[in-house]
Amino acid sequence: DGGITQSPKYLFRKEGQNVTLSCEQNLNHDAMYWYRQDPGQGLRLIYYSQIVNDFQKGDIAEGYSVSREKKESFPLTVTSAQKNPTAFYLCASSILTTPYGYTFGSGTRLTVV
Amino acid sequence: GDSVTQMEGPVTLSEEAFLTINCTYTATGYPSLFWYVQYPGEGLQLLLKATKADDKGSNKGFEATYRKETTSFHLEKGSVQVSDSAVYFCALLPNDYKLSFGAGTTVTVRA
Repeated sequence: DGGITQSPKYLFRKEGQNVTLSCEQNLNHDAMYWYRQDPGQGLRLIYYSQIVNDFQKGDIAEGYSVSREKKESFPLTVTSAQKNPTAFYLCASSILTTPYGYTFGSGTRLTVV
Repeated sequence: GDSVTQMEGPVTLSEEAFLTINCTYTATGYPSLFWYVQYPGEGLQLLLKATKADDKGSNKGFEATYRKETTSFHLEKGSVQVSDSAVYFCALLPNDYKLSFGAGTTVTVRA
């Protein structure tokens, strides 16, 4: 079945450590997105990519980095520069040029220990 | 810029009650409109959508009508169940295909 797979579901990070969240899709979607969700809050866009080898900053890109070497994959690295990384991270993908909306993964919950 | 304003929650209802969540938008052009639902600990799922004025999206007993004259896309369900307890997000897709979300409304349905 087609979909988006995020892994791991839970991730723990020590202070000063970089961690990478995985996002893979087999929907042949052009665009991929990373969002951050804090408890009781809405979604904030971190980065997005509409084509391989190209990506754009969203509203809260500081302390995060991404790559898009393959159409299917859009990993997010939470660097030590992100001072408050504890949150729920959601990856999404979409077809450009059609109004079908986004398909979301099941999320990764990152906790700083 | 394009934006979505959504009714603040939380909303608490009894089973079989009528649910409405207000959503209004500001946009240039003719965006598509969506409602997403998020169950605890999960990602967002598309609930329904409408791509042009006067379209009605519907799914699982939920409905919303794209009203261009009032720039609204209110979500309604005639008789809610406990299983409808979730967070509901209104969203707008403008021409640049970057989805704008409302803040989300938490709905709790009590038996």
